[in-house]
Amino acid sequence: EAGVTQFPSHSVIEKGQTVTLRCDPISGHDNLYWYRRVMGKEIKFLLHFVKESKQDESGMPNNRFLAERTGGTYSTLKVQPAELEDSGVYFCASSHAQGSGYTFGSGTRLTVV
Amino acid sequence: GENVEQHPSTLSVQEGDSAVIKCTYSDSASNYFPWYKQELGKGPQLIIDIRSNVGEKKDQRIAVTLNKTAKHFSLHITETQPEDSAVYFCAASRRWAGGSYIPTFGRGTSLIVHP
Repeated sequence: EAGVTQFPSHSVIEKGQTVTLRCDPISGHDNLYWYRRVMGKEIKFLLHFVKESKQDESGMPNNRFLAERTGGTYSTLKVQPAELEDSGVYFCASSHAQGSGYTFGSGTRLTVV
Repeated sequence: GENVEQHPSTLSVQEGDSAVIKCTYSDSASNYFPWYKQELGKGPQLIIDIRSNVGEKKDQRIAVTLNKTAKHFSLHITETQPEDSAVYFCAASRRWAGGSYIPTFGRGTSLIVHP
């Protein structure tokens, strides 16, 4: 089966610009998660979708971040406007409702200059 | 909330040696402890996990141990090979009955295996 796909793989934007990251989960996986790793630190939870509903968005840093999952398939994470501290690697993961673990995508490396 | 500490941040070993990565957690309600390996350019991949009702689990050259009383768990890799070089993350979570969980990750250990 195809894995979790994320794009772009890299993005370099200027402070104040907008960036949209996309994640295509494994087909049939109801659970979709966004995580972020800032250089050298832990992978931190951002939010969790079950189908199209936000189950838990307690990790979203602030209202500059907006995640959507229309139709319960792919998800987007928009950062608007981007700030320097938003730089990092954004990972998406998905799991089946009764699954035994996550499958992570390869991540999007976001650099805000 | 849960807090996971991971040590060391960098570990350099010679091929054939053993490598040990240690983690501690703070939430006594955590009952699921996965370990992930992240190779360059890829996402983290689950390599082994252990649940709180088990003290040790092995899978070929990899083993994990869990001490619930002390709230620490470790990853042991024996007979290391260059392809074991990667960043390893420990994590702790409460695993829900439905199979979903939100792990809290450690900061990662960069393992370098020298040929």
